[in-house]
Amino acid sequence: QVQLVQSGSELKKPGASVKVSCKASGYTFSRYAIIWVRQAPGQGLEWMGWINTNTGNPTYAQGFTGRFVFSLDTSVNTAYVQISNLKAEDTAIYYCARDCSGGGCDDAFDVWGQGTLVTVSS
Amino acid sequence: QSALTQPASVSGSLGQSVILSCTGTSGDIGSYKTVSWYQQHPGKAPKLIIYEGSKRPSGVSDRFSASQSGITASLIVSGLQADDEAVYYCCSYAGRTTWVFGGGTKLAVL
Repeated sequence: QVQLVQSGSELKKPGASVKVSCKASGYTFSRYAIIWVRQAPGQGLEWMGWINTNTGNPTYAQGFTGRFVFSLDTSVNTAYVQISNLKAEDTAIYYCARDCSGGGCDDAFDVWGQGTLVTVSS
Repeated sequence: QSALTQPASVSGSLGQSVILSCTGTSGDIGSYKTVSWYQQHPGKAPKLIIYEGSKRPSGVSDRFSASQSGITASLIVSGLQADDEAVYYCCSYAGRTTWVFGGGTKLAVL
């Protein structure tokens, strides 16, 4: 079935880096963009940006430029977000999701990963 | 890009109907008829329940309906059930390949 499976929880110290993965299966990976969403503890969803899985071109939302990098490994149908110079305020659940545009819907996110908790603490 | 505005909480009794609102601007909801809605239960990933303003994905109950007019979108949940208790987020395209979520509304079923 169509699914996105994310890597497991991470505990990091301030200043370190983390790379979260999102493995797609059950569909043609290059056909649908992948978005990233952050959810801080007890807070709402925040759209971080997206990556074109055909070209690898990333787009970042305001507030997610500089320390955040989206990437792909198309050989294993996997998208990544790497966060460098981690800060306490980066503590959150990070979700990947599929943009279903071009596949029967527009501008919506129809398949979600289970989320990855990143905790930044000294 | 500022978040879309949603009331923090809404409540309704079992069997009743409730309306959840989502207010944006002329740069997002007012310009694009593609608001989507997501349901999130505690500890779970969000789930798409409405796309393109009013369409339901396969498998989503027809008790969920939605509309949008001007800079406001609305989600109507009819025949409230206990499992409808969750947080609901709206989302809109905001131009230049960016999207924006609302702050979320916690729906309590009494």
